[in-house]
Amino acid sequence: GAVVSQHPSRVICKSGTSVKIECRSLDFQATTMFWYRQFPKKSLMLMATSNEGSKATYEQGVEKDKFLINHASLTLSTLTVTSAHPEDSSFYICSAPDRGRIGELFFGEGSRLTVL
Amino acid sequence: LAKTTQPISMDSYEGQEVNITCSHNNIATNDYITWYQQFPSQGPRFIIQGYKTKVTNEVASLFIPADRKSSTLSLPRVSLSDTAVYYCLVGLQGSNYQLIWGAGTKLIIKP
Repeated sequence: GAVVSQHPSRVICKSGTSVKIECRSLDFQATTMFWYRQFPKKSLMLMATSNEGSKATYEQGVEKDKFLINHASLTLSTLTVTSAHPEDSSFYICSAPDRGRIGELFFGEGSRLTVL
Repeated sequence: LAKTTQPISMDSYEGQEVNITCSHNNIATNDYITWYQQFPSQGPRFIIQGYKTKVTNEVASLFIPADRKSSTLSLPRVSLSDTAVYYCLVGLQGSNYQLIWGAGTKLIIKP
């Protein structure tokens, strides 16, 4: 099946710095990618939909200037957490839909961000 | 947008069959039902998908009654490695892929 790769898997940063997380579709082209956030023992919360060649669509309550999303190519979407604060510490996961099967999403391995 | 309801947690033993039921009373005509599995600190993994009746693959079966207001994921002969959180989702792929993730069911398999 299709593979979505996410990097880095873990990152620790100081408060006030910015962190970039990459999400790549390895063997297929993804015009759309989704970014989720997951707190410990909680479910996934959709943050934004990344669209290749256009602006991302953010869910209500998600700060666009805080979480910058760029979908520069059909195989790469990036999420940049700007001016990170401890409350931004979370597990961030990207996914891309399978065009061939309705409803199937391929997920990356996830990135655990810890802001000190 | 359909909302799903699942048991928060379930326990079972190795070698048993486990059935997890999900309620989705407001499922739309064009919605599919999809189940995912998630291990700690990993992204979810697709298990099975269906629209109606029964679907079976190499890892699970999905039973969907005629009214489609619920579905049951069946895991045959579970092992310790099946301990995970299982999510039931309903939705239709479109330009804006609207899926609502519920709390999922934490399945714990005991030896």
